[in-house]
This record gives sequence, C-alpha cells and structure tokens, in this order.
Amino acid sequence: GPKVLQIPSHQIIDMGQMVTLNCDPVSNHLYFYWYKQILGQQMEFLVNFYNGKVMEKSKLFKDQFSVERPDGSYFTLKIQPTALEDSAVYFCASSSRETLYFGSGTRLTVL
Amino acid sequence: QEKVQQSPESLIVPEGAMVSLNCSFSDSASQSIWWYQQHPGKGPKALISIFSNGNKKEGRLTVYLNRASLHVSLHIKDSQPSDSAVYLCAVRYYGNEKITFGAGTKLTIKP
Repeated sequence: GPKVLQIPSHQIIDMGQMVTLNCDPVSNHLYFYWYKQILGQQMEFLVNFYNGKVMEKSKLFKDQFSVERPDGSYFTLKIQPTALEDSAVYFCASSSRETLYFGSGTRLTVL
Repeated sequence: QEKVQQSPESLIVPEGAMVSLNCSFSDSASQSIWWYQQHPGKGPKALISIFSNGNKKEGRLTVYLNRASLHVSLHIKDSQPSDSAVYLCAVRYYGNEKITFGAGTKLTIKP
C-alpha cells in the first residue's frame, strides 16, 4: 500500500535543544496530520493540513512547535526549545480523503 | 469537545473466539468512523470504516454503527494470534476534518 516515510526513527536530545522531525507523505494526498503518542497512551492530535495549509491546531500544539513544508513535498515538525514532556512517538499521516496512512513514527527522547 | 472512548481497555481470548470491541463518541455530527490496528513500534493501519447506520462486513471483520446511541463496535470472527494488537477507534468530524482517536483496546489472542 501507500508508504509514508518518517525520519529519523529515533532521536535523543538534551532538554532545551531544537529538534526537527521529517515526514514524506503519499505524493497525491491533500490531507496531512501530525499526532503525538506517549508510550502506552492515546494518539493525540497536534495539527492538520489541507492542500498545504493549516486547518486546525490542538491545545497540545504549543508555541514551541512549528510546522513547515520547505519545498512543497515533505513536512517538518520543529520543536524549539524542547521540554521533558515532549518525549513521545510522533506520527505523521496523510490521506486523499478518508483512510489515513501512517508513517512508522519518530521516537523522541528528551533528556 | 470531541471525545472517543473505547472499552474494554484490554482483552485476552483463546484462538478461534469471536472478539467484540466497543467505541462511544461524543458528537452525532461525526462524519465517519474508522478502526485501526496498531502493532508495537508501528504506525496504525486502517482496517475498516463505516459512515451510515447499520453494519458493514469485510472478511472476518464486521462493524456496527448506531448514531442515535453514539456507539460503534468491531467484531472479529475466528480470531488468530496475528490479530493480537491494539485496536483504535477513530472519528472524523465535519468541518475541521479533525480525526480523534480513542485510547485503544489491547487485544491478545492466546494460541
């Protein structure tokens, strides 16, 4: 099936540093999502896009978070500065309308 | 605020048993409901969706939706050890296209 690529798969950084998570969605998908999942807990919505434009940001999307689409293809989620509570797996997903296709996630550990 | 609640939290059944998973959602203005399967260390994978009241069958999976009671259920027939995973209920809401996930049911199929 369609593949969504997330890099890196793991990232360990010190609190206060900046981190950039990358996601390459399915090429013809217009909808794009970022989710946060703390180990063993619920998948929590962060932000979604339609045709490259932000539709909604959740309360979890703190001022330290930013999202970009540098060249119109892949998306980035940047956290600056990072906090201990940012440790989680971050998933991206894309869809043409209904079915979400998820990447394998980036496991972020903030020390 | 959109809420999605799943029960039970975990379930252990013998191989070959019928499995029933439940999901309640908070708003009748929901657009579509999806069930996803998530294996450890992986992103969720879409299994089956439903939009209208009633039921839908695909292979060993049957999903039932009752919009009046804001309830949807997933039934897995002839369960296999490979069905062991976390099952997530996801609801798409009209307007902002936000997709909200439940906390999941951890299913274990004993050989």
